[in-house]
Order: sequence, then structure tokens, then C-alpha cells
Amino acid sequence: RKEVEQDPGPFNVPEGATVAFNCTYSNSASQSFFWYRQDCRKEPKLLMSVYSSGNEDGRFTAQLNRASQYISLLIRDSKLSDSATYLCVVNINNNDMRFGAGTRLTVKP
Amino acid sequence: DADVTQTPRNRITKTGKRIMLECSQTKGHDRMYWYRQDPGLGLRLIYYSFDVKDINKGEISDGYSVSRQAQAKFSLSLESAIPNQTALYFCATSDERYNEQFFGPGTRLTVL
Repeated sequence: RKEVEQDPGPFNVPEGATVAFNCTYSNSASQSFFWYRQDCRKEPKLLMSVYSSGNEDGRFTAQLNRASQYISLLIRDSKLSDSATYLCVVNINNNDMRFGAGTRLTVKP
Repeated sequence: DADVTQTPRNRITKTGKRIMLECSQTKGHDRMYWYRQDPGLGLRLIYYSFDVKDINKGEISDGYSVSRQAQAKFSLSLESAIPNQTALYFCATSDERYNEQFFGPGTRLTVL
């Protein structure tokens, strides 16, 4: 079993749609959690950290469920520019970041 | 100017050749990392370093070595390249206080 698992997609949605991605992790001792965005042939960039209480940044909302060991990312009012691959990242301890394989999103006009 | 740079950006080489990938950063971070990315597998950690005297193996260090020449420079070597080392390689840095990683633009390596 992979340490961090994501639905690879692709998710194809129209502009304005709401889309949600889930990610599960296997190590219950994991300490911190993130969503990164990666555009085609580019480097990953931090989208947002995920806090225990859940957090929101504009159209993006991240949730953490430690009991079930999953995190989620919700994107509201999708834009064409949201098309990218979204990487779930789990910090196992301070030294060890584990990346999911990514979920690909395409937003269409 | 980019904060994290990698050279070369693309490289095609033959089996058995020695290859060095270089990474430089101007962010002033102590922590540096090397990852490889393969389709369907996500990024996997090869080596990381928390300062110039510290080198640690990551998830998939076999077949690779690293050198931390200075705070700003961290190089990755493939002593004898093999075709399954064909991948996209990323260097990253992070601050000790925060976990955000800043990535270089990547090096696309093809081993024939």
C-alpha cells in the first residue's frame, strides 16, 4: 500500500463547477499536511497547508480528518487557470515528506 | 531571478555514464533535497541535507550520491547511469521553521 494515495483522475469539469479531491495516508504519526499544485512540465508549488481545524483560502478549502487519515481539497467556482495536477503531501516526521502521485484536473469552458 | 536553479535542464546520456546534476539556491535555506518524479508514482525523496555537514538517505538512494558543497549548493550524482533512472529530477529547499518546500524547475534526464 502506498503511503499517500490519491485518485489520479483526470477530473474534467466545466468552469464554475465545484470539485473535491481526497487523499488518504497510511502513517498515523504523520505530523503535517499540504496541497501542492503542479502545472504540466513545471515544478510543484505550495497551494496551501492543511490544519486540523480546516482552512480556507479564497475558493479553496482544505480539511483534515485524522481519525480516518484523509485530507481533502475543495475548489469552488472553478476557473480555467485551476487546470493542473494537485499533489497531496504528508510530512511523516520533520525529515520525511511523502508525496501522492497527484490528481489531474482539467477545467473546460 | 529564480530562487532555486538546476543545471542542466535536460540531459540525454548512455548507460554506464557518470552524470552530475547541480542545484543552487539563493533563499538562504539550510535544508536541501533531491527528488525524482515518475509518471504515476509521485515525487520520491532521494537524499536530503540539513546543513553542509549533514547528508541523509531518502526513500530511494541506491544508485545515487550527493555532495553539499556549500549552503547554497547541493549536487546529485549518478555514478553509472541506467535506463530506469530516466526521470524528472527536482531539487528543493525549505526553511527549518516551516515545512513549505521550494522547488527548482527540474532536470529531465534520459538514460539510453
